Amino acid sequence: GENVEQHPSTLSVQEGDSAVIKCTYSDSASNYFPWYKQELGKRPQLIIDIRSNVGEKKDQRIAVTLNKTAKHFSLHITETQPEDSAVYFCAASNQGGGADGLTFGKGTHLIIQP
Amino acid sequence: NAGVTQTPKFQVLKTGQSMTLQCAQDMNHEYMSWYRQDPGMGLRLIHYSVGAGITDQGEVPNGYNVSRSTTEDFPLRLLSAAPSQTSVYFCASALTAGPAFFGQGTRLTVV
Repeated sequence: GENVEQHPSTLSVQEGDSAVIKCTYSDSASNYFPWYKQELGKRPQLIIDIRSNVGEKKDQRIAVTLNKTAKHFSLHITETQPEDSAVYFCAASNQGGGADGLTFGKGTHLIIQP
Repeated sequence: NAGVTQTPKFQVLKTGQSMTLQCAQDMNHEYMSWYRQDPGMGLRLIHYSVGAGITDQGEVPNGYNVSRSTTEDFPLRLLSAAPSQTSVYFCASALTAGPAFFGQGTRLTVV
């Protein structure tokens, strides 16, 4: 089955700096890659996703890049703010939208230092 | 729309007891799934369903049953609770090719 590795497990950056979280996946059939943000005690919430026919997608301060050949994808957050502090999860699916369930990375705890 | 609704939010069970975690969605999503979240482990898929009457196992299905009699509801049953099932459980739903939306979670403790 699919295996998703996520690095780093903890990332501390100064407010205003950029943060990058990286994930690799094992199943070349995977074609949908969402990113979720989870605040303490809350549910995971989708922040951005990308499909395998696209190499990059941006939404304001957030971007995701995908390298299908190398089987890795990354989340980029620019101009970080205190409210970006949370745990971020990457995931992969070989259905269009996680129809058969998602395989998640173990998460990255992002800490924004004032 | 209420989205994905889970009940209860908190539950304490004794070892060997059984219970059902409820999940309902009002978005007419075909796909629903259950995950458990443990510290340092991310979210792991327990069971999923691609439509009414159809269910399948995920990564960690042992000790859990599901059924999907309607599009809206996807309950998760713990047959005989064990301390290893202490976790936070999330239900999620999705359109055919859309992202998954999560319920608010159920924090289960088995003593």
